[in-house]
Amino acid sequence: NAGVTQTPKFQVLKTGQSMTLQCAQDMNHNSMYWYRQDPGMGLRLIYYSASEGTTDKGEVPNGYNVSRLNKREFSLRLESAAPSQTSVYFCASSEWQHSNQPQHFGDGTRLSIL
Amino acid sequence: KNEVEQSPQNLTAQEGEFITINCSYSVGISALHWLQQHPGGGIVSLFMLSSGKKKHGRLIATINIQEKHSSLHITASHPRDSAVYICAVRGTNFGNEKLTFGTGTRLTIIP
Repeated sequence: NAGVTQTPKFQVLKTGQSMTLQCAQDMNHNSMYWYRQDPGMGLRLIYYSASEGTTDKGEVPNGYNVSRLNKREFSLRLESAAPSQTSVYFCASSEWQHSNQPQHFGDGTRLSIL
Repeated sequence: KNEVEQSPQNLTAQEGEFITINCSYSVGISALHWLQQHPGGGIVSLFMLSSGKKKHGRLIATINIQEKHSSLHITASHPRDSAVYICAVRGTNFGNEKLTFGTGTRLTIIP
């Protein structure tokens, strides 16, 4: 099984450009998450989707939007990229948000905003 | 003060040494997770603990709920154990069930 698949793996954008990060999981998980990882900081939650059809803000949602397209797919959109959004982005999934099951992570997307 | 503190931040050891990585947290939790981030960037869940101790191969994780502290031990360390180890906790309060992550401990094992 592929687990959690993120695309693209790398991307360079200019300030003001938009793009969508794609995430898909094949484990039939209900909950999906988007995190960003910055040097010297722990992973921070951007948005999450507790179940198909719902999305909620996490710790650092400003400048981002999400879409839970179906149970498998959860995308993250940057409408107008800013240098402060340069980061490594991780998508994750788990069976349910409120369970203590482990989260499964994708390999990350390294995004640079010039 | 961060809710999750890990120590040390960096650790270099010789192959074969016994490794201990520590995690302290300041909130009530329902579970603590240990994760491994490979040099290539991928993140893998190692353990989920709510009490006591768990063992998987050469890795052992312990938690002391009263002291709000967890340790990850690696016995007979090997260069392939070189990675960043991340501690994360899940809060118990309603609306605070999200995972809060530590900044990680970078472990380097020298052959």
